[in-house]
Amino acid sequence: TQLLEQSPQFLSIQEGENLTVYCNSSSVFSSLQWYRQEPGEGPVLLVTVVTGGEVKKLKRLTFQFGDARKDSSLHITAAQPGDTGLYLCAGASNSGYALNFGKGTSLLVTP
Amino acid sequence: EPEVTQTPSHQVTQMGQEVILRCVPISNHLYFYWYRQILGQKVEFLVSFYNNEISEKSEIFDDQFSVERPDGSNFTLKIRSTKLEDSAMYFCASSTDVNTEAFFGQGTRLTVV
Repeated sequence: TQLLEQSPQFLSIQEGENLTVYCNSSSVFSSLQWYRQEPGEGPVLLVTVVTGGEVKKLKRLTFQFGDARKDSSLHITAAQPGDTGLYLCAGASNSGYALNFGKGTSLLVTP
Repeated sequence: EPEVTQTPSHQVTQMGQEVILRCVPISNHLYFYWYRQILGQKVEFLVSFYNNEISEKSEIFDDQFSVERPDGSNFTLKIRSTKLEDSAMYFCASSTDVNTEAFFGQGTRLTVV
């Protein structure tokens, strides 16, 4: 199994602050996806990164895929309370069918 | 916007009973998946399904589990004889192709008592 380690596990910040969360592995992934999950709901896809070194922006969220395709980061600029949630990274398995999920970073943004 | 729908949202069942969890994937998607998430733990892959057969399954997906696409729209997960440790959120997902974005349903919370 290709393990994904996410850090930090928990993050509590104030509105307006910037933050970065990380997703690391010793394995190479053909693609990596970031999801956000609210309590009691399913993961909602934010972005997919495929190419090593790729950077994708989604409003205040910036996603980067490492050059070696083993790691990724999510940077949030000027966090808002609406950003609160569990951020999950998931990498496609070697077969491509399964997604291996990290345990997630639980983000709390307080006003 | 198209979405994956799952029913029921909650299911309580007695240990040893059979349960069927239902999913309607996004209509033009060809790859279907089941995942589960035990409370407080990470999302775990169970099985993928393509062209009316299982394409990959995890160690969790033992003989007690089966999947079926009984018609052109539904995709089901059956657990034959539920155990207490089967209690979890079960998520269905679908995608247009392998290695592309997987879209998840809202989940079915299964509680085995």
